[in-house]
Amino acid sequence: DAKTTQPPSMDCAEGRAANLPCNHSTISGNEYVYWYRQIHSQGPQYIIHGLKNNETNEMASLIITEDRKSSTLILPHATLRDTAVYYCIVQKGSRLTFGEGTQLTVNP
Amino acid sequence: NAGVTQTPKFRILKIGQSMTLQCTQDMNHNYMYWYRQDPGMGLKLIYYSVGAGITDKGEVPNGYNVSRSTTEDFPLRLELAAPSQTSVYFCASRRQGATDTQYFGPGTRLTVL
Repeated sequence: DAKTTQPPSMDCAEGRAANLPCNHSTISGNEYVYWYRQIHSQGPQYIIHGLKNNETNEMASLIITEDRKSSTLILPHATLRDTAVYYCIVQKGSRLTFGEGTQLTVNP
Repeated sequence: NAGVTQTPKFRILKIGQSMTLQCTQDMNHNYMYWYRQDPGMGLKLIYYSVGAGITDKGEVPNGYNVSRSTTEDFPLRLELAAPSQTSVYFCASRRQGATDTQYFGPGTRLTVL
């Protein structure tokens, strides 16, 4: 699976958009980009995934660059409950390979 | 649906003891996974299964065994516990489609002393 690079930590003010970047320069054509998050010590929770087009759901938006070498997860109006570790994962087949993620802290 | 359930929530073992971590899902998912997470680190895949009777190794299988006799259950066995196995263990499941997402259980926190 392709390797991903994320900043170790980010801060965001409550109510503002949180933009979490991810580099995946070795991604291949049939690999999807997935985002999960882990709140405190709970099990990871799926957020969104995409292949080449931008995607949006009730939780977030995913913007993938045209060359697919990087992506950004956008939480449009971050709340304190969005404080978590966010994992960007490039998946091929049935397995996920987790990196260390980005610790997002939403401040009041 | 209860989703993915794991028992126990917490356990302390002595070195050399054995135990089985239980994982059950009620979503009729074919795929099931076991991960471990050490403090401050991402999850690492221990074993996974693509259906009843079929299991395969992940990144860190040493010291563990699994079985998958039913679709619902995927127990993880530690035979001779070692301090290096102190970790939080997560079970997950998903359907069979290529882009189906994984659903995770709440985890089992294991300490080996």
